Amino acid sequence: GDSVTQMEGPVTLSEEAFLTINCTYTATGYPSLFWYVQYPGEGLQLLLKATKADDKGSNKGFEATYRKETTSFHLEKGSVQVSDSAVYFCALRNYGQNFVFGPGTRLSVLP
Amino acid sequence: ETGVTQTPRHLVMGMTNKKSLKCEQHLGHNAMYWYKQSAKKPLELMFVYSLEERVENNSVPSRFSPECPNSSHLFLHLHTLQPEDSALYLCASSSQRGDTQYFGPGTRLTVL
Repeated sequence: GDSVTQMEGPVTLSEEAFLTINCTYTATGYPSLFWYVQYPGEGLQLLLKATKADDKGSNKGFEATYRKETTSFHLEKGSVQVSDSAVYFCALRNYGQNFVFGPGTRLSVLP
Repeated sequence: ETGVTQTPRHLVMGMTNKKSLKCEQHLGHNAMYWYKQSAKKPLELMFVYSLEERVENNSVPSRFSPECPNSSHLFLHLHTLQPEDSALYLCASSSQRGDTQYFGPGTRLTVL
């Protein structure tokens, strides 16, 4: 079945550092790919998405590019802030199917 | 209110109690979902409702009983739970089944 693998962390960075969280997937067909973020004490929020190969999703300074050749959707941000501390989930969804979530990566940003 | 709301936000119950979790979406969506989020485990999809009809039940024990009286409301009725059922229960909705999901803040459940 479809699956998502991501680095589990925790990832600890200093403020203004560059962030990369790796995500790779296994899926049949051409799934849509997503990043969700969960801040402490809250539910998951959609951060960005890409629906086809080579698409780039972006939001709040975060970016991820759908790479079909490497089955990857790595999340990047050029300069993290303390307020970015959260758990980040990579997910995929094939048309008409349920979401498949990765295990989540906890990010801590220190001032 | 906007988005997806859940009540209560926190719940502590004994193993013999009966309680219910409530979810309400204000997005005009037709599909709703219950997830269980436990520490150090992946997000688990429990139930899926589409147009108020249950379309998926992922081998969830019968002590969890969902109810979807209309497309805006979803309940999870709980009875004779076990301590291992302690978790964050998340509700989500989407315009149609399989579309982008929008989550509520969750109910933190503790079973004593």
